[in-house]
Order: sequence, then C-alpha cells, then structure tokens
Amino acid sequence: DIQMTQSPSSLSASVGDRVTITCRASQSLSTYLNWYQEKPGKAPRLLIYAASTLQGGVPSRFSGSGSGTDFTLTISSLQPEDFATYYCLQTFSTPTFGQGTKLEIK
Amino acid sequence: QVQLVQSGAEVKKPGASVKVSCKASGYSFTDYAIHWVRQAPGQRLEWMGWVNGGSGMTKYSQRFQDRVTINRDTSASTAYMELSTLRSEDTAVYYCTRGWSIDYGPGSRRFDPWGQGTLVTVSS
Repeated sequence: DIQMTQSPSSLSASVGDRVTITCRASQSLSTYLNWYQEKPGKAPRLLIYAASTLQGGVPSRFSGSGSGTDFTLTISSLQPEDFATYYCLQTFSTPTFGQGTKLEIK
Repeated sequence: QVQLVQSGAEVKKPGASVKVSCKASGYSFTDYAIHWVRQAPGQRLEWMGWVNGGSGMTKYSQRFQDRVTINRDTSASTAYMELSTLRSEDTAVYYCTRGWSIDYGPGSRRFDPWGQGTLVTVSS
C-alpha cells in the first residue's frame, strides 16, 4: 500500500493566520489526492479533490496544490470554525490516509 | 440532498460479529459505490472495502479480507458491512461513504458524503 505522511502532526495558529499542511506519498499519485476536515463527533468533510479542485460549498480560503508525491493544503486566513483535524487521502490505488494534522487555537 | 444514515452504536463481546447498515438517499444508489472506513481511538482513518451499488462487486482491504463482508440491497438503497471474529482492537467508529462507480480520473475518485459514523465497542 502507498504510505501517506502528513506534516506537521499538530499546529497552533491564530485567527487570520495563513496555514499550510503538507502530505507526502511513498510513490507518485499523479493528482489522485483529496483533503478532508474532521471535527469531534462529526463525519469527515471533503474540502479538496483531484489535488486542487475545491468541493462545492467549501470557502475559497481553502486551496490545494501539488502532484506526484508532494501536496499541500493551504488555509489563507484562519477562521474560528477551521480549528479541526485535517487528513489527506490518496485514491491512486488502495485508498490510504495520512495520519492527520490537528489544528489548534494559539 | 445526498445523505447516508448509519445504524446505531453496538457493544459486542470478543469473538462475536457486528453488522452495520448504511442507508442512502438523495441519489441513484446503483450509480455509485459505497466504501467503508474505520477510525480506532488515536489512529488514522483506515479503508476497509467497498461494494459497487449497481453490480454488487466487492473489493476488500487485505488487512480485513478474511473477516469482512460488504454487500448491498438495492431495493432498500442500503449497504451493509459485517465484521466477524471481533477483538478489542476492532473498537472504532465505522463510517460508510459514497465513492465512484465510473472512473474518469482524479476528479471522480473521491469519498463524499459520509455517514454519521457508528461506534462499535468490543469488550468482555
């Protein structure tokens, strides 16, 4: 299976900050990469698919980039509702997830 | 709107089996697949397998191959995941999520939406 490594594992930031989360794959994925947001007690929410396509209804402050093995999720200006855990998911082959990045309020 | 509603929490003893249901609404059930993903406490999300809503074809993660059965009832727009020979490490939240049936590249391969999750607790 393809291994997905996210960094950082946790991150403290303030409202209004620009934040970047990275996901690295153990082999090339082309752009078969999704990003999800998860809040306690809630199901994961799709933010970005095909590495850079914003899911409908997701605020434009979220963006994704990358191809091959290196991908990033950027939140341009953090809002209070963005504090959550973020996961990457590769769907190039048998689906595998990153370990998550917990975004906390500084 | 597209929605997946799962069955309620379960408590099982080691060695038992559990069956979780996932009822779909708001779309044509046979046009998509249903995938199952679980999250054990403190662990990352883990893909278990999927069923094609139309053909009924299944594929399982090698990790669960011997213990999991996923199927569907098209008349009820419902998918099921049964996990047997439960052990304490199977304590987790189990999610169903809609996936692709027709593959047209990266844009199609995504999981959305997700069910609300079903907590399965395995304890003696």
